[in-house]
Amino acid sequence: QSALTQPPSASGSPGQSVTISCTGTSSDVGGYNYVSWYQQHPGKAPKLMIYEVTKRPSGVPDRFSGSKSGNTASLTVSGLQAEDEADYYCCSYGGSNNLGVFGTGTKVTVL
Amino acid sequence: QITLKESGPTLVKPTQTLTLTCTFSGFSLSASGVGVAWIRQPPGKALEWLAFIYWDDDKRYSPSLKSRLTITKDTSKNQVVLTMANMDPVDTATYYCAHSLLGMFGELSEFDYWGQGTLVTVSS
Repeated sequence: QSALTQPPSASGSPGQSVTISCTGTSSDVGGYNYVSWYQQHPGKAPKLMIYEVTKRPSGVPDRFSGSKSGNTASLTVSGLQAEDEADYYCCSYGGSNNLGVFGTGTKVTVL
Repeated sequence: QITLKESGPTLVKPTQTLTLTCTFSGFSLSASGVGVAWIRQPPGKALEWLAFIYWDDDKRYSPSLKSRLTITKDTSKNQVVLTMANMDPVDTATYYCAHSLLGMFGELSEFDYWGQGTLVTVSS
């Protein structure tokens, strides 16, 4: 059971875009359209931002978008705002015996 | 409105068994397509999925921790309980429970509601 690979950090100026990758295998990311993304501010519980690769829950700004190509999923935050500074984690369904495989996490800094 | 809250000891000794309770409201764990997961996060580290219980009482565990984990539910009390045996200092983490919806064929889709988490420290 290996964690999905994310870059440790990403950054951008206010108004710019940042894209975070999440690389897995054909047994998780590449095999299912069940990739989700979570935002976590320090000391807080994670918050669902994207589910089923591209869908946004009610209340999540449309600045957040998701995509997938092969074994790699991506989260893009457009029009960066100060409140977007947080840790982001991807998660993929990995089959009936490995339900939730999380990524290594990416710290997004708004410059 | 769905809410979840974790409870349990804040400090356990090495080799002891940890018992955590997730008390929830706003949904029924007997409703088809619903489940509750336990997820942990060591200080400064990434999230790790631990266990999952389905509405029909089916259970799944992280392959790397399967031998140490037990997840149960009490539908009448709206509670899910996780036990982890043989605790070690490396198990020091914030433990979260989370509500999940399942896909058409039982796939875990997402963790849409989370508890606030409870920090458990393992130390003698």
